[in-house]
Amino acid sequence: GAVVSQHPSRVICKSGTSVKIECRSLDFQATTMFWYRQFPKQSLMLMATSNEGSKATYEQGVEKDKFLINHASLTLSTLTVTSAHPEDSSFYICSPGGRNTEAFFGQGTRLTVV
Amino acid sequence: AQKVTQAQTEISVVEKEDVTLDCVYETRDTTYYLFWYKQPPSGELVFLIRRNSFDEQNEISGRYSWNFQKSTSSFNFTITASQVVDSAVYFCALSDGGGGFKTIFGAGTRLFVKA
Repeated sequence: GAVVSQHPSRVICKSGTSVKIECRSLDFQATTMFWYRQFPKQSLMLMATSNEGSKATYEQGVEKDKFLINHASLTLSTLTVTSAHPEDSSFYICSPGGRNTEAFFGQGTRLTVV
Repeated sequence: AQKVTQAQTEISVVEKEDVTLDCVYETRDTTYYLFWYKQPPSGELVFLIRRNSFDEQNEISGRYSWNFQKSTSSFNFTITASQVVDSAVYFCALSDGGGGFKTIFGAGTRLFVKA
């Protein structure tokens, strides 16, 4: 069954506004959360890794001030896209780390900035 | 550095044909995990299989089968008697062996199954 809940599944926002995406680990404590981004017809690329209680690690080319990650508890990590622009329109998906089984993914959030 | 290559960008088959999706990976880790995911138009990733680097046994699950060969660093996926519902993008992925499951994805293969 689903062990990761990501919300919202779809969001449309105006350019310049901020959007928060939540990722909840339902049945285990996730000390690490991976955030991926997928542009249309492209693969999933790791954006950042959040760690509970400490700063997130961002991949090269990802602006940490634009994509704010908070991992305040072992069951919740959030990604906030600040001052969103049309080029941020993408599919964002989270995945809790630290489990020695299949890698679980959230349902994904399709962000459209207009 | 880790890398996953799916050389086939798109494949189109007619229903009931068999189709094989190729995956070649690169890693310097001795312990690693390989995955296949299906991504339908809804976007959600559907887990299909996980293999660790010490288990080269091939696996069959219904119409799906996987061939893992460390000697060629390949982890190919075959769908037997394809169906229209198999139409999707399929991703091969590689994770490190540290348990963190930071995942590197291949570019994906878009499969079209025509009736």
